[in-house]
Amino acid sequence: GAGVSQSPSNKVTEKGKDVELRCDPISGHTALYWYRQRLGQGLEFLIYFQGNSAPDKSGLPSDRFSAERTGESVSTLTIQRTQQEDSAVYLCASSLYRGVIQETQYFGPGTRLLVL
Amino acid sequence: AQSVSQHNHHVILSEAASLELGCNYSYGGTVNLFWYVQYPGQHLQLLLKYFSGDPLVKGIKGFEAEFIKSKFSFNLRKPSVQWSDTAEYFCAVNQGGSYIPTFGRGTSLIVHP
Repeated sequence: GAGVSQSPSNKVTEKGKDVELRCDPISGHTALYWYRQRLGQGLEFLIYFQGNSAPDKSGLPSDRFSAERTGESVSTLTIQRTQQEDSAVYLCASSLYRGVIQETQYFGPGTRLLVL
Repeated sequence: AQSVSQHNHHVILSEAASLELGCNYSYGGTVNLFWYVQYPGQHLQLLLKYFSGDPLVKGIKGFEAEFIKSKFSFNLRKPSVQWSDTAEYFCAVNQGGSYIPTFGRGTSLIVHP
């Protein structure tokens, strides 16, 4: 079946503009994650969804970042008033469910965001 | 807070050489351990994982990793690398019961043909 997809694949924006990043998880995957990867760094956890609720938003770096999810489907990550330090690859991953054992996460191709 | 260290940031090998990439973590309790790989132009994908049982875990493409609890390590190994193993490798660790993995910075592996 189809994997995790993300759009756009690349986004260049001006400082101060808002951007919206989209993630389409694998069908049936109830858990969805957003990560940020800055150049030369590891993946930084941003937010986790179980269904359409977000039990953990602890990774969101500031109140300029928000995310929502429709049911067990599409999620959008919105960055308001973008700053140059927001430039990074934003990765989305989904997994089957949150059980006692961590399920394998399936990653999308990422959105490369450049803030000028 | 838990941390994951991958000490080798860049590794360059010739084909047929043996590979060992280090991964150390700081959490002392129960952990779930993962290695992910990202081939050039491709998505990040799972290479292997450890939850419990045999500490020597076999993954895809001839990779294996050994969980050594006393050393807080989960090193990735392959006896003979191929050019197609050129990729970025990430170690990740979940504290037991947590759904949020902590990732290392990654190791870039280049294999010369």
